[in-house]
Amino acid sequence: SQQGEEDPQALSIQEGENATMNCSYKTSINNLQWYRQNSGRGLVHLILIRSNEREKHSGRLRVTLDTSKKSSSLLITASRAADTASYFCATDGTGANSKLTFGKGITLSVRP
Amino acid sequence: KAGVTQTPRYLIKTRGQQVTLSCSPISGHRSVSWYQQTPGQGLQFLFEYFSETQRNKGNFPGRFSGRQFSNSRSEMNVSTLELGDSALYLCASKTGTGRGVTQYFGPGTRLLVL
Repeated sequence: SQQGEEDPQALSIQEGENATMNCSYKTSINNLQWYRQNSGRGLVHLILIRSNEREKHSGRLRVTLDTSKKSSSLLITASRAADTASYFCATDGTGANSKLTFGKGITLSVRP
Repeated sequence: KAGVTQTPRYLIKTRGQQVTLSCSPISGHRSVSWYQQTPGQGLQFLFEYFSETQRNKGNFPGRFSGRQFSNSRSEMNVSTLELGDSALYLCASKTGTGRGVTQYFGPGTRLLVL
């Protein structure tokens, strides 16, 4: 079953604009991660935020985490056509073993 | 360092057959996880191996099995294939089993069951 649910399911923006994607989850987490996937290929790890962190930055990426609302957001600033991809949030729970549970993903299209 | 490699990249099988997929992790990575990705169910965790032992298992039938060798390479096997097994199978490796450790994914094996 999916733990994370991303919102919106699809997003289309113009190059140079910012893209904001949201993820909600249901159970307690140890950390939350965002991945990118281009055209059904392998996933690329973008950023990890731990449950005791509220915000993290990496280049043009900004991730926030609100554990009280069980939600996270990924902001891509100054988007480029090359950012066109599917984006997934994945949660790592607090059980005995580390295991990632992925959402269904957001399709981002950046128009040149 | 070479990335995670998966072979074969594409595979076509018929119902009832079995298939073996291979994954070579990044050098030095001892944990290998497998995921199934389908349009309907999304990305689902199959299992994780570390030091030749299965550490964690997802909610898949017993037709799905795996193993890991002493060099950390891993294989997964699906027996008695069903149409619904058509999917992209992804493997990922990381250095250990701890939390907050980045997983690196391979390009996947696309399996089509006819």
